[in-house]
Amino acid sequence: GDSVTQMEGPVTLSEEAFLTINCTYTATGYPSLFWYVQYPGEGLQLLLKATKADDKGSNKGFEATYRKETTSFHLEKGSVQVSDSAVYFCALTLNRDDKIIFGKGTRLHILP
Amino acid sequence: DVKVTQSSRYLVKRTGEKVFLECVQDMDHENMFWYRQDPGLGLRLIYFSYDVKMKEKGDIPEGYSVSREKKERFSLILESASTNQTSMYLCATTPGSRSYEQYFGPGTRLTVT
Repeated sequence: GDSVTQMEGPVTLSEEAFLTINCTYTATGYPSLFWYVQYPGEGLQLLLKATKADDKGSNKGFEATYRKETTSFHLEKGSVQVSDSAVYFCALTLNRDDKIIFGKGTRLHILP
Repeated sequence: DVKVTQSSRYLVKRTGEKVFLECVQDMDHENMFWYRQDPGLGLRLIYFSYDVKMKEKGDIPEGYSVSREKKERFSLILESASTNQTSMYLCATTPGSRSYEQYFGPGTRLTVT
């Protein structure tokens, strides 16, 4: 079935380090891909999205490129901040019914 | 901005109690969803609704029911709470018409003792 696999955490980095969180997917059809972020004590919020192959989503210094050939949507940021500490979820939708399939989440800790 | 509110941030109930979790949205969104979030398992869909009085089972509906009598309100009901229903419960909405982005409430952390 359709699914999302992302790297397990927690991921701990120092401030200003480069971040990559890997995400791969399995889907029938042509999904749209998302990264959601959950800050401590809050619900999820959309960070970025890409709706077709080769699209790049970006927001708040984060980027991810929809790679159909490798079925991947890796999240990257060039220089992380302490305020980026959160749980990050990779997700997909098959554009049929607004249902979203989430990965299990990756907890990110940024040390000052 | 879309606002999705949930009735409680923290809730403690006893085994066997009937529990109501309320979700209210103020943007006239068509679709509403209930998830539970557990460490190592991510988000799992319990129920969703595309319209008033309509409901669809998600991936883990057992032990839960829902009610949507008004468009803005979607209630999750635990008929007889059990300890394995201790979890974080998240409500989400979408405008409909393949809008893709889901808007989440802050969550209710439920503890069943």
